Amino acid sequence: DAGVIQSPRHEVTEMGQEVTLRCKPISGHDYLFWYRQTMMRGLELLIYFNNNVPIDDSGMPEDRFSAKMPNASFSTLKIQPSEPRDSAVYFCASSQRRLSGNTIYFGEGSWLTVV
Amino acid sequence: GESVGLHLPTLSVQEGDNSIINCAYSNSASDYFIWYKQESGKGPQFIIDIRSNMDKRQGQRVTVLLNKTVKHLSLQIAATQPGDSAVYFCAENSPMTTDSWGKLQFGAGTQVVVTP
Repeated sequence: DAGVIQSPRHEVTEMGQEVTLRCKPISGHDYLFWYRQTMMRGLELLIYFNNNVPIDDSGMPEDRFSAKMPNASFSTLKIQPSEPRDSAVYFCASSQRRLSGNTIYFGEGSWLTVV
Repeated sequence: GESVGLHLPTLSVQEGDNSIINCAYSNSASDYFIWYKQESGKGPQFIIDIRSNMDKRQGQRVTVLLNKTVKHLSLQIAATQPGDSAVYFCAENSPMTTDSWGKLQFGAGTQVVVTP
């Protein structure tokens, strides 16, 4: 089975440019999560969706960040304009609601460097 | 100025020995717990989970122990191998009856270094 697929794997961009990160969740999963990982703050939840609807975006740093999920198999995380402090690894993850628990499966991450 | 990153606890283990990684969780209402392994350059990978109605669960070479009284979780790795070198995270999940069910709260992680 294909896992969570993210693109691009690596991106280097200049400050002020728009960055779009993409994610395809595991088929059949109804939850999708965007996490950010840095040395300073560890693993942080930015936003998550249930059935394509944003449920909690309290972790989104500021208005420069936006996320969409137009359908069950695709989500984007956009940063506009990007800043050097946005440099991090961005993980997309998905899960399926089960009575036994919420096991979240992660993609391999998008490594973003803003110079 | 000088940047300060997270100081991850480090566990150095000799190959072949058993490893024990500890985690204290914060929410006494959490009812589901997961251990993840993150190798360098990769995303966190599911290892094993446990529900709050259990004290112990075993997988292949791994055992998770849950002590709800003191809100403590541990991961034991038997016969540690070089491939076990990674950062290990514990995560807790709120009950399904709560609004925060979908979120996992992650610990800071423990760096495990396996030496030959």
